[in-house]
Amino acid sequence: AQRVTQPEKLLSVFKGAPVELKCNYSYSGSPELFWYVQYSRQRLQLLLRHISRESIKGFTADLNKGETSFHLKKPFAQEEDSAMYYCALSAYNNAGNMLTFGGGTRLMVKP
Amino acid sequence: SAVISQKPSRDICQRGTSLTIQCQVDSQVTMMFWYRQQPGQSLTLIATANQGSEATYESGFVIDKFPISRPNLTFSTLTVSNMSPEDSSIYLCSVQGRGNTGELFFGEGSRLTVL
Repeated sequence: AQRVTQPEKLLSVFKGAPVELKCNYSYSGSPELFWYVQYSRQRLQLLLRHISRESIKGFTADLNKGETSFHLKKPFAQEEDSAMYYCALSAYNNAGNMLTFGGGTRLMVKP
Repeated sequence: SAVISQKPSRDICQRGTSLTIQCQVDSQVTMMFWYRQQPGQSLTLIATANQGSEATYESGFVIDKFPISRPNLTFSTLTVSNMSPEDSSIYLCSVQGRGNTGELFFGEGSRLTVL
């Protein structure tokens, strides 16, 4: 069975500091990984996916199969980055494709 | 993208009662997913609902407790039956984006509090 682990429930940094939100996974197949974000009073939405190799709002995430990690990084945090971040892994069950979510990390960026 | 509307957005319920949550999507989708997010916890998939067939439930969830309807390609309901305080959660409806990219679009959630 697949599993996604986010070891930090809360990460607090000052504005302008680098940020790294950790995500580790276990999955026997070829993983597809995502980061989702939920800003205050907004719905959960996709931030980025590993397959796109894109940078969104200054965030990047690299899939490291050797370490089974997909850490989310940003060199200079902004106050508007404060939100709940979820790492997710796409896997197939008998109903089709499904997402397994990590426990989430709350990022607080202080002024 | 897909726009998903959920009703109710929140409710306070009495123990032993049942509540039905509605999910409306602005486009036709094959699969709809129902997630639960308990206080301070992550999202857990309850079931996958395909139109025209019975929902597929994940381990730990049963149809008698969480019956699901999927009458057409834009609508689904989740009922939380015989509620207890442990059912106090946010219940989220979601659908896949086009192209089977794995991306999910979410409703705003229905926050249920069971007294």
